[in-house]
Order: sequence, then structure tokens, then C-alpha cells
Amino acid sequence: DIVMTQSPDSLTVSLGERVSINCKSSQTTLYSSNKKDYLVWYQQKPGQPPKMLIYWASTRASGVPDRFSGSGSGTDFTLTISSLQAEDVAVYYCQQYFNTPWTFGQGTKVEMK
Amino acid sequence: EVQLVESGGGLTQPGGSLRLSCATSGFTFSNCGMNWVRQAPGKGLEWISYINSSRTIYYADSVKGRFTISRDNARNSLYLQMNSLSAEDTAVYYCATDARDGGYWGQGTLVTVSS
Repeated sequence: DIVMTQSPDSLTVSLGERVSINCKSSQTTLYSSNKKDYLVWYQQKPGQPPKMLIYWASTRASGVPDRFSGSGSGTDFTLTISSLQAEDVAVYYCQQYFNTPWTFGQGTKVEMK
Repeated sequence: EVQLVESGGGLTQPGGSLRLSCATSGFTFSNCGMNWVRQAPGKGLEWISYINSSRTIYYADSVKGRFTISRDNARNSLYLQMNSLSAEDTAVYYCATDARDGGYWGQGTLVTVSS
């Protein structure tokens, strides 16, 4: 199974600060035939289902604010929030869908200072 | 508007069975890959099963042989038959489209396995 490891587990930041969350996979998620990384980022607010933010590692989902961006390829990925807003307080998960079983990172909790 | 609505959760005893349903609307269900993902109380997300438009199916080892995923394209619905349930299966169960098909999730249905 591909193991997804996120860092840090949690972070506390001030309004307007830049946030970076890392996700490392134990195997590549890059499919050589189409040059796409099968890596997704989700946001989950308390009491709500996850919401997809980024797919193909760097493509923003419809309606997602442009302060969210994804980068990386192969085994190392980053979700960046350029300027944290109050509504961004949530747990963030990465997930690979390169190989079954699809696997998630353990989550990164983002809180406001 | 895309909607996914899970139902069928509830309280059951160890060894019992439940059948979850996911009613969908607002997208072409028959063309989409569909997942079941669960989340134990206070824990992270665990993918458990996938079925694509050609009915290719995958399961996580934790549910293989006990859970069965299926779909009814005429009803735009996804199902999960769960047998031999144990306390470790207690979780909110979500249905979700494949990330390649929009990555939409339902609100979830709570399954509690307890005597």
C-alpha cells in the first residue's frame, strides 16, 4: 500500500499568514503515460464532509478560491494557502488514487492564532 | 446542483448487517466512478470501496469479503451491503464521486456497531 505522510500534524497561524502543508507518498503517484499525479487535497471543516480543493496535484477544483494552490510531483507535494482566512480553519487531507487501496494522509489541522 | 444523499445507517449489534444507499442527482451518474469512504469518530478518512462505470470493483483489505459495493444506474444510486459488522466498523460512511469526476461528497450516514 502507498503510505501518505503529512506534515505538520497541526499548525496555528495568524489571519493573513501563508500556510504550507506537506504530503509525502511512499511511492510515486505520477502516471508516466499521461504525466499526471494522482494526488488530491481535501478540506474538512467540523461537522462537514470533505471538500475537494485540488486534483491532479495542482489543478484547483471549481469554485475554490485562488489563495489555495497545490504543487509537487512524484512523491512530494505541498498545499499552500497564500493568505489564511477565518473560514480556512479546518483539517486538510491529501489522498492518492494512483493505486488501490486509495490512501489518505493522517490530516493536518489548521487553527487560527 | 450536484447532490449525494446517504441513508441506511443506524445502530446494529456485532455480527449484524446493514445496507447503505447513496441517492445522487445533478450529474451523469452512469459515467462516474464512485467511492465509499468512512471516518471513525474523531479519526481520519479511510477509503473502503470503489466501483467505476464498467463495474470494476476494488475493496480495502479491512472490508474485503464482508462488504459489497453495487450501483443501479437506472436509479442513479450507489449501495454498500455490510455484513459481519464489528465495533471497528463504527464510523460515518460517505459516498463520493471519483476525484476525476468532480470529487463530490455526501453528508454521510452514521453506522454504530454496539451491543
